[in-house]
Amino acid sequence: DIQMTQSPSSLSASVGDRVTITCRASQSISSYLNWYQQKPGRAPNLLIYAASSLQSGVPSRFSGSGSGTDFSLTISSLQPDDFATYYCQQSYTTPRVTFGGGTKVEIK
Amino acid sequence: EVQLVESGGGLVQPGRSLRLSCTASGFTLGDYSFSWLRQAPGKGLEWVGFSRSKAYGGTAEYAASVKGRFTISRDDSKSIAYLQMDSLKTEDTAVYYCTTTFGNDVFHAFDIWGQGTTVTVSS
Repeated sequence: DIQMTQSPSSLSASVGDRVTITCRASQSISSYLNWYQQKPGRAPNLLIYAASSLQSGVPSRFSGSGSGTDFSLTISSLQPDDFATYYCQQSYTTPRVTFGGGTKVEIK
Repeated sequence: EVQLVESGGGLVQPGRSLRLSCTASGFTLGDYSFSWLRQAPGKGLEWVGFSRSKAYGGTAEYAASVKGRFTISRDDSKSIAYLQMDSLKTEDTAVYYCTTTFGNDVFHAFDIWGQGTTVTVSS
């Protein structure tokens, strides 16, 4: 199985901050990398697919980059609604997908 | 509105069985593959299994942790997906989600999710 490692596991930030979360795959996955946001008690919500494509309806302050083994999700200006947990997911070995361990973004 | 709604969760003793349902609305489930994922309390997301549409053979695949115990099926005439869980273990305790790559099949990105149903395995 391809292992996905996210860092940091948690971070504290203020409204308006620029936040970057990284995700590393244990082997090359090309651009088969998706990002999700999950709020407590809710299902995950797709933010970014194919490493850098913004899902319809997702604010443009979210962006993704990377290919191969190293990826990142950036929130350009953190908003109150963005405090949540973020997960990366590799789909290179579809349908046997795997997720990173998550990054919890908390209010400083 | 395109929607998935799960049902069937609950408290069950170890070794017993439970069947989850996932009802699709706003689209024809038979035209799409779908997956079941789960999330143990306070933990991350884990892929459980996958069902191909009939157009792609209608076969299923399972994670090693559930293979031989869980069975995915579908009733395309009713747009309902099922997850039959047998020989349940305490480590199967989780929120179970059904999800599909409705508009993102090429990169297998899950863009439609159910609300989740909670399964608790405990004596």
